[in-house]
Amino acid sequence: SQKIEQNSEALNIQEGKTATLTCNYTNYSPAYLQWYRQDPGRGPVFLLLIRENEKEKRKERLKVTFDTTLKQSLFHITASQPADSATYLCALDGYSSASKIIFGSGTRLSIRP
Amino acid sequence: DVKVTQSSRYLVKRTGEKVFLECVQDMDHENMFWYRQDPGLGLRLIYFSYDVKMKEKGDIPEGYSVSREKKERFSLILESASTNQTSMYLCASSFLSGNSYEQYFGPGTRLTVT
Repeated sequence: SQKIEQNSEALNIQEGKTATLTCNYTNYSPAYLQWYRQDPGRGPVFLLLIRENEKEKRKERLKVTFDTTLKQSLFHITASQPADSATYLCALDGYSSASKIIFGSGTRLSIRP
Repeated sequence: DVKVTQSSRYLVKRTGEKVFLECVQDMDHENMFWYRQDPGLGLRLIYFSYDVKMKEKGDIPEGYSVSREKKERFSLILESASTNQTSMYLCASSFLSGNSYEQYFGPGTRLTVT
């Protein structure tokens, strides 16, 4: 069956370091992979997407990679700040002809000062 | 900015009650979605809609129904609420950006069924 896994439920790192979150999938052939941020008690907010033919995408301090051979995406936050603390969700798009996407369960990131 | 609003942030209902959750988006998006989110289970799709009066079952439609009479409004109905429907309910709308669909979420409704 189709499955998305985000490698850890929680990740704690020191301020200023690079945070790296992992998203793995099986039995999918997504055309796109998206990343969202969710703060407690709020709905997810779209951050960026990467296409299957792109290796890497950057937006300010964010970098996403997409390896369709490994079926994996890495999400990096460089120079992390306490304000980056949130849950980050990956989502796969294009697994069907429908416009719905499939979400992972998220990784809760905590940045300590 | 796209705005997706949900009728209530918090709701407490009794077992067996009929519950209506309303969602409105202001950006003329074709697609709308209802999810529930539970700890450790992530976002699970209940129903979605491509257009007015169109609806499709998601992964967990049992115990729920939906209504989309107008493009901007998508309602989730719990015909007879049960305690296992206690959850955070999130509505989203999406549009085609390039060839991919970005989803815009409402703030969520935390429903407690007692």
